[in-house]
Amino acid sequence: DVKVTQSSRYLVKRTGEKVFLECVQDMDHENMFWYRQDPGLGLRLIYFSYDVKMKEKGDIPEGYSVSREKKERFSLILESASTNQTSMYLCASSFGEDTQYFGPGTRLTVL
Amino acid sequence: AQSVAQPEDQVNVAEGNPLTVKCTYSVSGNPYLFWYVQYPNRGLQFLLKYITGDNLVKGSYGFEAEFNKSQTSFHLKKPSALVSDSALYFCAVRDRTGGFKTIFGAGTRLFVKA
Repeated sequence: DVKVTQSSRYLVKRTGEKVFLECVQDMDHENMFWYRQDPGLGLRLIYFSYDVKMKEKGDIPEGYSVSREKKERFSLILESASTNQTSMYLCASSFGEDTQYFGPGTRLTVL
Repeated sequence: AQSVAQPEDQVNVAEGNPLTVKCTYSVSGNPYLFWYVQYPNRGLQFLLKYITGDNLVKGSYGFEAEFNKSQTSFHLKKPSALVSDSALYFCAVRDRTGGFKTIFGAGTRLFVKA
């Protein structure tokens, strides 16, 4: 089975802090994604990566950056956390255009 | 622009009754279509997908979905609902010419009452 893990299930940070969310997949998928999930809005794509060191902006990249130094690991960085970034963050991976496999999510609260 | 609509925020059904969760989409080309389910405090799990071929797609846990090109719909169905089916369901679409980007609907919460 594909396994996608995220570094934290719950995270509480203060406004202005730099926040790192890590995602690791074990199926050698070339594509990895970061979404945020908010009630009534579904999932919105923040960034995705189709190869090591390659990245593309999604629909809501402002305030976020990403890093993919190794194929299995995709990091989401909040440079200066703000309260409007309080959300559920979901990482996913896929092979080609096929099904995306999701991690358990990180619920981030910014105070 | 691509879009996905799940017209119902919530669907209530009694255990043993059939259930339908609706999804309509708008894409410029022929779509890949997906259904995912999210249980409380969990990530999304893949249920089923339509790529090509038979319009009726069967997936996990007894779910199925019917692709209707003329109505641009991909409704999720199950003949007999279980209490354990209670969860949040997401429809998703990807344009075959649009690269990696998948558009998700807002989600429909399914409540199955015993």
